[in-house]
Amino acid sequence: NAGVMQNPRHLVRRRGQEARLRCSPVKGHSHVYWYRQLPEEGLKFMVYLQKENIIDESGMPKERFSAEFPKEGPSILRIQQVVRGDSAAYFCASSPGFPGRPGQGGDTQYFGPGTRLTVL
Amino acid sequence: KQEVTQIPAALSVPEGENLVLNCSFTDSAIYNLQWFRQDPGKGLTSLLLIQSSQREQTSGRLNASLDKSSGRSTLYIAASQPGDSATYLCAVEGMYNTDKLIFGTGTRLQVFP
Repeated sequence: NAGVMQNPRHLVRRRGQEARLRCSPVKGHSHVYWYRQLPEEGLKFMVYLQKENIIDESGMPKERFSAEFPKEGPSILRIQQVVRGDSAAYFCASSPGFPGRPGQGGDTQYFGPGTRLTVL
Repeated sequence: KQEVTQIPAALSVPEGENLVLNCSFTDSAIYNLQWFRQDPGKGLTSLLLIQSSQREQTSGRLNASLDKSSGRSTLYIAASQPGDSATYLCAVEGMYNTDKLIFGTGTRLQVFP
């Protein structure tokens, strides 16, 4: 029974390139969350998605960052034109969710191993 | 705006000691509070989750308490072992901003033999 999978585990990009981070939730989970951990800081919420819907993106930077969770396939966090300040560990979590009732709270989140992005 | 603080930031103790890690939060309207363990370069492992209606949770040598009214939680580790060395994070889920975990910056624990 696989947990949350993230790939790649390590990603190196040069400034100006694009970074694509993938997250496969626990089988049967329909909710995905992305968090970012900057060096020497705690994890910060970025975005919460259901299949084909963004529920809460209040933690996403306004520019260059986007996220999707398509009907089929993994969730993708995409960072365009990366800068050095984007270097961080990006964690994905998933939860079963309450069908049709996002944001009800109390839904345990299961975390993946993270993707460590280094921007040169 | 919810803010979560953890004290101390780092702790180094000899094996066998009993430890207390502290977590405080500014908004007492929380749904639950969770303690995680993070090993270097690894993901997060959930240790204990305390619902807002509960006062404490126990798992093996770990005991977490929650005092919602004062905005505090403690994680008690009994008879510490070198294998307990890791960063411990606490996170709260707000009552009115649910599904989003707000994390503290963590306590980095080292237990030496």
